[in-house]
Amino acid sequence: NAGVTQTPKFQVLKTGQSMTLQCAQDMNHNSMYWYRQDPGMGLRLIYYSASEGTTDKGEVPNGYNVSRLNKREFSLRLESAAPSQTSVYFCASTGELSGNIQYFGAGTRLSVL
Amino acid sequence: EDQVTQSPEALRLQEGESSSLNCSYTVSGLRGLFWYRQDPGKGPEFLFTLYSAGEEKEKERLKATLTKKESFLHITAPKPEDSATYLCAVQGPQGGSEKLVFGKGTKLTVNP
Repeated sequence: NAGVTQTPKFQVLKTGQSMTLQCAQDMNHNSMYWYRQDPGMGLRLIYYSASEGTTDKGEVPNGYNVSRLNKREFSLRLESAAPSQTSVYFCASTGELSGNIQYFGAGTRLSVL
Repeated sequence: EDQVTQSPEALRLQEGESSSLNCSYTVSGLRGLFWYRQDPGKGPEFLFTLYSAGEEKEKERLKATLTKKESFLHITAPKPEDSATYLCAVQGPQGGSEKLVFGKGTKLTVNP
């Protein structure tokens, strides 16, 4: 049981480049989330998907897009990366049977030069 | 707007020296308060969920308590392996999304 899997684990981009962060969960959860974590700022919600086919903005959505590809997968896309997007990105998922506990992936460490 | 404040930002303890971490929150209609542990380079790991004032939960050397305004994570006789960042999060009444609002965390260091 892998839980929440994020790829890649590390990435270095140049300003203006694009990339997609991938997230997959095998717990049959309905809800999935993307967070960023910066020193001194804590975890901040970027986007979330309450169920397959729906997505909504969180606290810091600017510069990002998301796709809920199916129930298992939720991707985060940076269309034109900026140095301010240097961060650690975490994906999480939850469902009613898990008591609404969010389970997190190991993170993607992104540097934008 | 839901808010979570954790204190202190950092705490250094000697092995065996008990202490408490604080999580103060402002939320209209608390559905749940969550404690997570995060080790360097890893994702947050779930510890406890508390739902109502007066509730307590324990796991090994950790005990979480909840009042109407704050939660405490008590650490009894800590060991070096308890060193980590502890995160607190609240879930408000927004139906259908299970969104969490996180505090900035308390970094705990336990010296042998």
